[in-house]
Amino acid sequence: ETGVTQTPRHLVMGMTNKKSLKCEQHLGHNAMYWYKQSAKKPLELMFVYNFKEQTENNSVPSRFSPECPNSSHLFLHLHTLQPEDSALYLCASSQWGGRYNEQFFGPGTRLTVL
Amino acid sequence: AQSVSQHNHHVILSEAASLELGCNYSYGGTVNLFWYVQYPGQHLQLLLKYFSGDPLVKGIKGFEAEFIKSKFSFNLRKPSVQWSDTAEYFCAVNVWGSGTYKYIFGTGTRLKVLA
Repeated sequence: ETGVTQTPRHLVMGMTNKKSLKCEQHLGHNAMYWYKQSAKKPLELMFVYNFKEQTENNSVPSRFSPECPNSSHLFLHLHTLQPEDSALYLCASSQWGGRYNEQFFGPGTRLTVL
Repeated sequence: AQSVSQHNHHVILSEAASLELGCNYSYGGTVNLFWYVQYPGQHLQLLLKYFSGDPLVKGIKGFEAEFIKSKFSFNLRKPSVQWSDTAEYFCAVNVWGSGTYKYIFGTGTRLKVLA
């Protein structure tokens, strides 16, 4: 497997469920990101991990909980979500070097909250 | 707050027509600028990037973009589009330093090229 992979590709959950999204990068990068892509809205950066340390949390509600056990894996734990959280969740990775922040994206997880 | 504006949300062109997609950003400091493309059914991928130097940047598949600092713009151009250029195009700005990191995307422009 190459690049950035995400599982599952589609997820339907109720508001009381707990689920997790998984991302894995095979590019040797040291930074990973979660984005939310909603219809008719800009791609929103949610979390940034740099060398496994969370460096940014862009005012994301606590019902989204990220975890980065190592520089290749990133999780997004979900619980008590709202219908408005339905969106495409994208994971990306890059080499953390200040200037050279080209991001490599996974295919995304299409999340539907009922 | 920093933002990125893409003025055209939907563009329809015939093959061989010229393309220009507008992108303006609001940030007064040093930025890195990017155009990403998402072809139908595929991942977001980098089209071209600007860090410094020549403000006219060449990317893949014949695309180019010009950074005009005084206008806070980074417009994407292609002299002659092809049907295979049908995709969604996103402009992005990266700002970092002083304890902050931002990667801000525009809302995207859907381009449809008619054969």
